[in-house]
Amino acid sequence: GEDVEQSLFLSVREGDSSVINCTYTDSSSTYLYWYKQEPGAGLQLLTYIFSNMDMKQDQRLTVLLNKKDKHLSLRIADTQTGDSAIYFCAEAGNTGGFKTIFGAGTRLFVKA
Amino acid sequence: GAGVSQSPSNKVTEKGKDVELRCDPISGHTALYWYRQRLGQGLEFLIYFQGNSAPDKSGLPSDRFSAERTGESVSTLTIQRTQQEDSAVYLCASSLNKGLYGYTFGSGTRLTVV
Repeated sequence: GEDVEQSLFLSVREGDSSVINCTYTDSSSTYLYWYKQEPGAGLQLLTYIFSNMDMKQDQRLTVLLNKKDKHLSLRIADTQTGDSAIYFCAEAGNTGGFKTIFGAGTRLFVKA
Repeated sequence: GAGVSQSPSNKVTEKGKDVELRCDPISGHTALYWYRQRLGQGLEFLIYFQGNSAPDKSGLPSDRFSAERTGESVSTLTIQRTQQEDSAVYLCASSLNKGLYGYTFGSGTRLTVV
């Protein structure tokens, strides 16, 4: 079945860039997402990218998609302590009936 | 409503008891999803409702789990004869159509089975 994998932890210093990586297995993935979860809260959609795009930028966030390698990354520029959270990579494609499949999440620690 | 509302926010129950978790989606969202998030883990798909179509129940872990949805409104997830391994946060989300532009999540119900 479909699978989404991401590293569990990332630690950066305030002001540096953070890069969170994700790989997925479903070659029919059409939509790819990044969600953010703060403590005690549900998931909040940060951004999404269609499979026919290579890059999407939204303020401090840059999403890069390498469809050949099934690799997705989220870059956060000028990382702030308020960016400390769990970031989930997710995909939806025809194989899964377009249900969204989530990775296990990457916990980002931002050190002041 | 303005967002997805879940109740209760916390529930402690004794092993063997039944529990009901409620989700109020955003008005007008035709799709509703339940996910389970165990401590330190990712989201596990449980069930998906889309309009008046038959729900996709492929993620329900056992026959102790069931869910209903009234039209395009409230949904209830029921867990019968709860076990300790059912302890988790149960997240509900809703979306327009198939949610291809993303889901809106509630804050979840934290279930603890003692």
